[in-house]
Amino acid sequence: GEDVEQSLFLSVREGDSSVINCTYTDSSSTYLYWYKQEPGAGLQLLTYIFSNMDMKQDQRLTVLLNKKDKHLSLRIADTQTGDSAIYFCAGGGGYQKVTFGTGTKLQVIP
Amino acid sequence: ETGVTQSPTHLIKTRGQQVTLRCSSQSGHNTVSWYQQALGQGPQFIFQYYREEENGRGNFPPRFSGLQFPNYSSELNVNALELDDSALYLCATQDVSYEQYFGPGTRLTVT
Repeated sequence: GEDVEQSLFLSVREGDSSVINCTYTDSSSTYLYWYKQEPGAGLQLLTYIFSNMDMKQDQRLTVLLNKKDKHLSLRIADTQTGDSAIYFCAGGGGYQKVTFGTGTKLQVIP
Repeated sequence: ETGVTQSPTHLIKTRGQQVTLRCSSQSGHNTVSWYQQALGQGPQFIFQYYREEENGRGNFPPRFSGLQFPNYSSELNVNALELDDSALYLCATQDVSYEQYFGPGTRLTVT
């Protein structure tokens, strides 16, 4: 089965860029997702990338996929205090089950 | 706003009891998945339903069961509750685009 690993914690200053990293084991995932979860809330889909893509940009978000190293990253430009949350990467999609990492807590310092 | 709603928001049950959690999604979302998220963990896949049939299951015992209805609503049933079942239960629905839309979750506490 899929294993997805993330670092647990990241602290950045407001206005800087944040880069959250993720590694996964199963290269058969159709999609790779990034979700945001604020305290006490459900999961918000931020963006996703199809497995045959290398990069996707969506406003302040840039997703990079290195299929050779099975490495996924999410870059948030001009990080704001409202970006403070837990970020999950996940793989799967279509009619595959989606496997989530343990989450990276992003702390934005004003 | 994902258009996915879950009820109840919070629930407290006693060990050994049974619980039913509900999820409603948008029209056209034929696939629903249920996840268990323990405190400090990522969501764990319980099972998925497609057009009212179970379409995949994670590593959860048979006392976790589900139903999906033609009106795009679904249920998660858990029998013989255990303390370790305390968690946030999330449902996620998807349309043909494969984007999963999560509801806000039901927080279950088993005492």
